[in-house]
Amino acid sequence: EVQLVQSGAEVKKPGESLKISCEGSGYNFTNYWIAWVRQMPGKGLEWMGIIYPGDSDTRYSPSFQGQVTISADKSTNTAYLQWSSLRASDTAVYFCARPALPTMTSPDYWGQGTLVTVSS
Amino acid sequence: SYELTQPSSVSVSPGQTARITCSGDLVAKKYARWFQQRPGQAPVLILYKDTERPSGIPERFSGSNSGTTVTLTISGAQVDDEADYYCYSAADNMGVFGGGTKLTVL
Repeated sequence: EVQLVQSGAEVKKPGESLKISCEGSGYNFTNYWIAWVRQMPGKGLEWMGIIYPGDSDTRYSPSFQGQVTISADKSTNTAYLQWSSLRASDTAVYFCARPALPTMTSPDYWGQGTLVTVSS
Repeated sequence: SYELTQPSSVSVSPGQTARITCSGDLVAKKYARWFQQRPGQAPVLILYKDTERPSGIPERFSGSNSGTTVTLTISGAQVDDEADYYCYSAADNMGVFGGGTKLTVL
């Protein structure tokens, strides 16, 4: 069974750093793109970027380029989303997702989401 | 960059047909997907390649494409179908979501 299990909720202060994770199981993690999607409170889904764990090829939405870093560790089947300096506006639920097929990049299977709260 | 436009809300009575549109130049060139999201849950894929249903998705969910507009149709909408619906497409490995449509069934 394909599973994406995300790390737990985080409460941080503005200016702090953070790295959240998404562990894949039940499939060959190396061969499937992983996407990250943001959902701010009461708002819609926003595509942030994707990474191919096999070679760490990474693409970012222009809206998120330079704001976050997406990475992956093949040895632990885990993808990461990180911030070096959080802002209150980063408060959101963040989802990871992978496609149904290795040749695709669409977010077909989703993790449960990680709530990030940034507040002083 | 591409944009996908959806109505913010659609309302139908139980048993009626609900139609949710998604418009943009991108869907004239690339296939669209539709996701259903219930409150507090992760999105679930309900249509891919404009019209195809993954296994386990009821037949009352169907899709169509007419150029720059794709449409999600829910025939005989049920109260359980009340949720947010998002279209999605991608070009050059860059994904785009529509703004989402809140479907009310009452």
